[in-house]
Amino acid sequence: DTGVSQDPRHKITKRGQNVTFRCDPISEHNRLYWYRQTLGQGPEFLTYFQNEAQLEKSRLLSDRFSAERPKGSFSTLEIQRTEQGDSAMYLCASSPRAEGINEQFFGPGTRLTVL
Amino acid sequence: GNSVTQMEGPVTLSEEAFLTINCTYTATGYPSLFWYVQYPGEGLQLLLKATKADDKGSNKGFEATYRKETTSFHLEKGSVQVSDSAVYFCALSGGGGATNKLIFGTGTLLAVQP
Repeated sequence: DTGVSQDPRHKITKRGQNVTFRCDPISEHNRLYWYRQTLGQGPEFLTYFQNEAQLEKSRLLSDRFSAERPKGSFSTLEIQRTEQGDSAMYLCASSPRAEGINEQFFGPGTRLTVL
Repeated sequence: GNSVTQMEGPVTLSEEAFLTINCTYTATGYPSLFWYVQYPGEGLQLLLKATKADDKGSNKGFEATYRKETTSFHLEKGSVQVSDSAVYFCALSGGGGATNKLIFGTGTLLAVQP
């Protein structure tokens, strides 16, 4: 059974560098979400894809952030010109194709540290 | 906008004690409500959910009832174990035309001592 996977699990970078994270959702899940979690807080929504279409972006997602899901399967989240405030755990989740509200299955996250 | 408020932790209990973690929400319409759990070193896992008023979600001895009149979804367990030590997040989705995104509370750390 393969759940949601994320790569890398940890990333340390210097301020000003670009980073890219990858998320592989559960097979056949057409919905994919990105969240950000800082220490002591709950996850905060960043963006949502249905298949390859990006249907919603949070105001948290500044113009330095971009996400793609080119073929409706895996997704990437890129942060350009990283800042120390970007340090957080970046979580990916997927949910299946179905009507209504469905539970989301989370990956292990990518922990980003910006020095 | 929609939001979730849950009691601050940490909550420290002895094994076999009764657990309540309070959660209230603000939302238009009829959201779905969830409890997620994050064990040390692991990712978020769905613990239980309820999709309409008066529904009771249950799993692993945990229960929560969707109370629309009090806008609450309190998590309860009759007898906690050391293995229940984790961070618990209350969350909502939908309601008022919102998308399927989850809105989380800040989390409550539960520490169960033997």
